[in-house]
Amino acid sequence: DGGITQSPKYLFRKEGQNVTLSCEQNLNHDAMYWYRQDPGQGLRLIYYSQIVNDFQKGDIAEGYSVSREKKESFPLTVTSAQKNPTAFYLCASSTLGTEYYGYTFGSGTRLTVV
Amino acid sequence: ELKVEQNPLFLSMQEGKNYTIYCNYSTTSDRLYWYRQDPGKSLESLFVLLSNGAVKQEGRLMASLDTKARLSTLHITAAVHDLSATYFCAVEETSGSRLTFGEGTQLTVNP
Repeated sequence: DGGITQSPKYLFRKEGQNVTLSCEQNLNHDAMYWYRQDPGQGLRLIYYSQIVNDFQKGDIAEGYSVSREKKESFPLTVTSAQKNPTAFYLCASSTLGTEYYGYTFGSGTRLTVV
Repeated sequence: ELKVEQNPLFLSMQEGKNYTIYCNYSTTSDRLYWYRQDPGKSLESLFVLLSNGAVKQEGRLMASLDTKARLSTLHITAAVHDLSATYFCAVEETSGSRLTFGEGTQLTVNP
């Protein structure tokens, strides 16, 4: 079955550490996205990529980095520069083009600073 | 910058009652999405509204889109406890560019 796989489901980070969240899709979707969700709030866009080897900052990119070396993979690194990383992170993908619509979301990674 | 506002943010209703959640957005868009989120879970797609006047219904939920007013509504008919969740609307600026989400409406249906 096609879908998006995020791993790990739970992640604990010590102060000053970088951690990487994995996102893999087998839907052959062109675009991939990372969103952050804080308790009781909506989703905010961190980064997105519409093509391999290219990506754009979203609304809250500071303290995060991404790469898109393969169409199916879009890992997110939470760096030590991100001072408040505890949140729920969701990865999504979509197909580009006006005749297409719909986003597929992964199951999420819950990151906690310890 | 596209802004998406939902209201109410919190909604407590009795089973059997009707209510409407509103979603306003600030710039032109022809695509609006509604999602449901249960606590600790990912998003479940409910509706995609692609044109002005679009109306979609699934069970006790009906969504509509008025692109001229930049307004979408999610109407709940005869609410049941299983509908308790957080509901988000999200607007797509152009195809595949990005989704901008509202703050979400936390719905609680009481017996």
